[in-house]
Amino acid sequence: AQTVTQSQPEMSVQEAETVTLSCTYDTSESDYYLFWYKQPPSRQMILVIRQEAYKQQNATENRFSVNFQKAAKSFSLKISDSQLGDAAMYFCAKNRDDKIIFGKGTRLHILP
Amino acid sequence: EPEVTQTPSHQVTQMGQEVILRCVPISNHLYFYWYRQILGQKVEFLVSFYNNEISEKSEIFDDQFSVERPDGSNFTLKIRSTKLEDSAMYFCASFGQLNTGELFFGEGSRLTVL
Repeated sequence: AQTVTQSQPEMSVQEAETVTLSCTYDTSESDYYLFWYKQPPSRQMILVIRQEAYKQQNATENRFSVNFQKAAKSFSLKISDSQLGDAAMYFCAKNRDDKIIFGKGTRLHILP
Repeated sequence: EPEVTQTPSHQVTQMGQEVILRCVPISNHLYFYWYRQILGQKVEFLVSFYNNEISEKSEIFDDQFSVERPDGSNFTLKIRSTKLEDSAMYFCASFGQLNTGELFFGEGSRLTVL
């Protein structure tokens, strides 16, 4: 079965610093989507960034960027200039058939 | 901006009671989902729904669960006889087109079974 693995249950970063959240996945597909979702204390799942596997260029959304290594099946999220509002659970996810499957999440703490 | 809306935001029920969680997906979306998140744990797929029928369901989605879209707008999840372990956050989500990749989530319905 395809899986999404996040090996860091929790991480902390000083405000204004940069942090990288790790994610690996397993798939036999050549074309797929990868995602990072943010779940703040309000509990709603919010899409942070999306990467299409056939695109070699790493996706970027303002302070959020990814390092997509297709051969290594690695998809890390870098948050630059961390802000207090970035504190949340972050879920790495991948599409499979007509649904999305999630990793177990990484809880990110922002230290003032 | 269009959004997925869910009601109720929180429901407390006694074990063995029936619960219906409601969702209004984004109006032009075609694929609908229920996910479950037990407190502090991962978000788990329950069921997907397309063209008025279930397209896939997980092993969690047993005979106690059912979904329907009775009126073309609401998308409901029914739990017939709730168990303590059904206590969780239930998220409704929808896709417009599968190949765009983005799944739009509602704010979730917290179910507490006593």
